[in-house]
Amino acid sequence: AQKVTQAQTEISVVEKEDVTLDCVYETRDTTYYLFWYKQPPSGELVFLIRRNSFDEQNEISGRYSWNFQKSTSSFNFTITASQVVDSAVYFCALRAGIQGAQKLVFGQGTRLTINP
Amino acid sequence: DAGVIQSPRHEVTEMGQEVTLRCKPISGHDYLFWYRQTMMRGLELLIYFNNNVPIDDSGMPEDRFSAKMPNASFSTLKIQPSEPRDSAVYFCASSPSNRGTQYFGPGTRLTVL
Repeated sequence: AQKVTQAQTEISVVEKEDVTLDCVYETRDTTYYLFWYKQPPSGELVFLIRRNSFDEQNEISGRYSWNFQKSTSSFNFTITASQVVDSAVYFCALRAGIQGAQKLVFGQGTRLTINP
Repeated sequence: DAGVIQSPRHEVTEMGQEVTLRCKPISGHDYLFWYRQTMMRGLELLIYFNNNVPIDDSGMPEDRFSAKMPNASFSTLKIQPSEPRDSAVYFCASSPSNRGTQYFGPGTRLTVL
């Protein structure tokens, strides 16, 4: 079975601080995909990044960076110099299984509040 | 390019009424998904289609829920009769392939009184 754990339910920081959102996943499949989505107060789900299990390179996109470590089954997300607009709920998700099994398994989400 | 389109954005209805949620996937995407988001259960997959054919409906809660995809550009999720416990945000998502990223619509917030 697949499982995603986001242990941090809520995080609150002051603007310009760096913040890391943790994600730990479980799967027995060797081929899988990991995702991060952002859900701002307006409610939509915005895709941020996708990683496959064969690519452990870390990725940086502006103030966002992702650290994928298969050894610890983690896919953590760091926001550098946070801004108020980063306030949202962030979801980590896993897709694994045989070809055609499309189910995305989501973590419970981390509510991030950036205070001015 | 237009993203996934869902309507209505908000729906308030009374228990026992029929509710129909609508979704238009991104053009060219072969996969369409319906998810439900609640505080208690988080985000959960209800059903998904490939080339308009339902592939996995194991997440559909009960027979009161049904979904159809009559063509590549339109899908519906129907609840009949609706119950207060169906109150949730329902998301539609589409994907270009079985290995592709799922892109979500804005969601429909359903309230059943």
